[in-house]
Amino acid sequence: GNSVTQMEGPVTLSEEAFLTINCTYTATGYPSLFWYVQYPGEGLQLLLKATKADDKGSNKGFEATYRKETTSFHLEKGSVQVSDSAVYFCALGFTSGTYKYIFGTGTRLKVLA
Amino acid sequence: DAGITQSPRHKVTETGTPVTLRCHQTENHRYMYWYRQDPGHGLRLIHYSYGVKDTDKGEVSDGYSVSRSKTEDFLLTLESATSSQTSVYFCAIRGVAGGPYNEQFFGPGTRLTVL
Repeated sequence: GNSVTQMEGPVTLSEEAFLTINCTYTATGYPSLFWYVQYPGEGLQLLLKATKADDKGSNKGFEATYRKETTSFHLEKGSVQVSDSAVYFCALGFTSGTYKYIFGTGTRLKVLA
Repeated sequence: DAGITQSPRHKVTETGTPVTLRCHQTENHRYMYWYRQDPGHGLRLIHYSYGVKDTDKGEVSDGYSVSRSKTEDFLLTLESATSSQTSVYFCAIRGVAGGPYNEQFFGPGTRLTVL
């Protein structure tokens, strides 16, 4: 079946540090991969996505590359800011009857000034 | 902004009472989803809809029912609430007009506490 595994948090970094949040998946077929971000008290917002192998999604300084050979979609940012503090979810989208999504458990990021 | 609202935003209820959560969208999206969010589980799909009166179960549908009598409203009902249904509930739509079919957009959530 399809599943998503992401690193447990919390992740605590100093401002301007490099960020990596690991995400691996198992899937049949050709899923799309997503990163969502959730700020306190809010719903999830789409951060970036990739729809096929070797695609790189990017937004707001965040990047992730769809790696089929390692079944991974790790989120990276070169220099985090305090405003990046949030919970990040990796997700997999696939068609099974209708289009569905499987989410990872989320990784909380805390950035200290 | 995908025009999704949820009501109520917060609710406290007692075990055994019925509860209905509403998701309202303003842009005629066909696909709508209900999720619950719990620590250590991420988001899990409860039910989804692919059109008026067309719904199906997700991975955690036991104890929940849904209805969609018009395009803009997708209702989630807990027939007899239990403490295990204490959670944050999110509604989502998929496929914004003019955008990619596989992008999902979320409402602000409803925090439900069952005592």
